[in-house]
Amino acid sequence: KAGVTQTPRYLIKTRGQQVTLSCSPISGHRSVSWYQQTPGQGLQFLFEYFSETQRNKGNFPGRFSGRQFSNSRSEMNVSTLELGDSALYLCASSLFGENTGELFFGEGSRLTVL
Amino acid sequence: GENVEQHPSTLSVQEGDSAVIKCTYSDSASNYFPWYKQELGKGPQLIIDIRSNVGEKKDQRIAVTLNKTAKHFSLHITETQPEDSAVYFCAASKAAGNKLTFGGGTRVLVKP
Repeated sequence: KAGVTQTPRYLIKTRGQQVTLSCSPISGHRSVSWYQQTPGQGLQFLFEYFSETQRNKGNFPGRFSGRQFSNSRSEMNVSTLELGDSALYLCASSLFGENTGELFFGEGSRLTVL
Repeated sequence: GENVEQHPSTLSVQEGDSAVIKCTYSDSASNYFPWYKQELGKGPQLIIDIRSNVGEKKDQRIAVTLNKTAKHFSLHITETQPEDSAVYFCAASKAAGNKLTFGGGTRVLVKP
C-alpha cells in the first residue's frame, strides 16, 4: 500500500511569490492534515480537511490556505511568501476524521524562501 | 489553547540503557496522546499512543504512562539500540478532528 505522497519534495521561492504544495493520502483515507515544521517553532498544525470540508484550522495568517478534492487529495497554498515561511511542510492522512486512529505522515515538502 | 512541553530536548544514552522522555499538557480535555519518531529526512512515524482511559501501554521495548491528574505522560524505551537514535515528539489532542499539539521534540542519541 502506497504511503502519503507529497510533491514537490524541495522548492525554492523568493519573497512575494506564492507556492502550492500537493498531498496524496493513503488510499481510502479521507482526512488530510497539514503541519509546518521549523527549528524554532517545532511542529505546528495548519489545517485539517475531511470529505472536502475544513474541520480545523491552526493559528496561521490567511496567506495559508488549503483545499481537498473529491478523491481526498489535498493542496495547500501560501501567498505573498515571507522569509519566515521557510519550513518543512508535512501532510498527514488518517482513515477517520477524529483522533481515533493513527496519522500517517508524508516525507514533506521543504520550502526555502529567499 | 493546548500547550505541550517536552523534556529533555536532547538525550544521550549508552546502548542497552533505558531512555525516558517526559511531557506535560495544559488542557484537561485532551484525551489522546501519541508519540512519534522522526528520522533524518523523513516524516514523523507513530510509535505508540495512549488514550485518557488507560494509565499505561506497552509494545515490546516501548511503554507510555499517563497521569491525568498531574497532566503528564512519559515515553520509556528499554534496551536501547543504535536504531533508536532519532527525534521523538509527544503530542496531545482532543476528540474533535486530527489536530495534534506537539511538544518541542527530544533528540535521542544511542551510543554503541
